[in-house]
Amino acid sequence: EVQLVESGGGLVEPGGSLTLSCTASGFTFTNAWMSWVRQAPGKGLEWVGRIESITDGGTIKYAAPVKGRMNISRDDSNDTLYLHLNTMKPEDTAVYYCTRDDGWGMDVWGQGATVTVSS
Amino acid sequence: QSVLTQSPSASGTPGQRVTIFCSGSSSNIGSNNVYWYQQLPGTAPKYLIYRNNQRPSGVPDRFSGSRSGTSASLAISGLRSEDEADYHCATWDDTLGGWVFGGGTKLTVL
Repeated sequence: EVQLVESGGGLVEPGGSLTLSCTASGFTFTNAWMSWVRQAPGKGLEWVGRIESITDGGTIKYAAPVKGRMNISRDDSNDTLYLHLNTMKPEDTAVYYCTRDDGWGMDVWGQGATVTVSS
Repeated sequence: QSVLTQSPSASGTPGQRVTIFCSGSSSNIGSNNVYWYQQLPGTAPKYLIYRNNQRPSGVPDRFSGSRSGTSASLAISGLRSEDEADYHCATWDDTLGGWVFGGGTKLTVL
């Protein structure tokens, strides 16, 4: 079964940082491009970044609201995708989804990790 | 504000046909494929339509998509209570260099 499982969500104080993990199974993670999408409470979906497969160059793109504060990385040996966000703001409060983004849109989604930024 | 524009809500009765619209611009819908996602309450989005009008395996043929110019639409025929969900459109934006979404349309089955 193709599956993505996020972990690492929680409560973070404003100005703090957080790392989310996403473990993939059921497909060849090494060849996959991966994206992160977030959804603030009661709001729509917002793409925040993508990382290409290393074999395709490994280019990373970020959305404007997180550029300079977010770092996406991958560990192909452990089929794991990471999202690190620093200098966090209340508006970063959201459910963060890991997705497979493989030329046919974002076709596989994790269950989401809830991140709350509050003092 | 979302880059793509969707009506916040839509509704229909069981058996009806409902159409949800998504409006963009030349830098996104006008030059790239459109994707649709279904999000049932409290769950992650589900891949519903890809490349404008293609259905992934397992998606009923009651769901269909189309794209024309800078707009796209999702039609649901034979509406069922289990179709009650949020529907999100998405495409790549060449100017922004990333994926953009609509704000989502909440479909209510009356």
